[in-house]
Amino acid sequence: SQQGEEDPQALSIQEGENATMNCSYKTSINNLQWYRQNSGRGLVHLILIRSNEREKHSGRLRVTLDTSKKSSSLLITASRAADTASYFCATARDYGGSQGNLIFGKGTKLSVKP
Amino acid sequence: GAGVSQSPSNKVTEKGKDVELRCDPISGHTALYWYRQSLGQGLEFLIYFQGNSAPDKSGLPSDRFSAERTGGSVSTLTIQRTQQEDSAVYLCASSLFSGGASYEQYFGPGTRLTVT
Repeated sequence: SQQGEEDPQALSIQEGENATMNCSYKTSINNLQWYRQNSGRGLVHLILIRSNEREKHSGRLRVTLDTSKKSSSLLITASRAADTASYFCATARDYGGSQGNLIFGKGTKLSVKP
Repeated sequence: GAGVSQSPSNKVTEKGKDVELRCDPISGHTALYWYRQSLGQGLEFLIYFQGNSAPDKSGLPSDRFSAERTGGSVSTLTIQRTQQEDSAVYLCASSLFSGGASYEQYFGPGTRLTVT
């Protein structure tokens, strides 16, 4: 079943603007990860935030996590045309055992116009 | 070093035929995952390997789907008697630790399967 739900489904902005994507989830998590996918093929890991963290930065990326609201946001600052891609949040559930898979949302399709 | 590789990159098959999809994980990665992505959709988890064993097969959609991993390395996903609804991109990922979901997963480029 779907764990993460991204919002919006699609986002179109001009180069230089900031892009914000949101993710909501349903169950307790160990961590939440954001991935980028170009052209419907392999995914690239962007950033991981653990359940005891509230904010994390990586270059032009900023991720926040609010476990009380079961939500996360990904902010891309000063966007570039090369940021055009689909962005997925993925949650790792808070199991004590060997559960290994991530649960992905359906993604936000970001289009950055030059 | 080399990333996750998958073969073939594209596969067109007739309904009812069997197909085998291959995944070569990053050397030394103990955890391996198979996902499926239908057009415009998110990723659907299929199966997870820790070493050669599969602790979680919960995502396999039917008994026509099976997977194995040998030598703690290469994995093969087999779909028997393919159906049109099996058409999708099949993605493989690997990660370094057994508690793989807590860590970054490295994805291969995927195999695009089309069942005609």
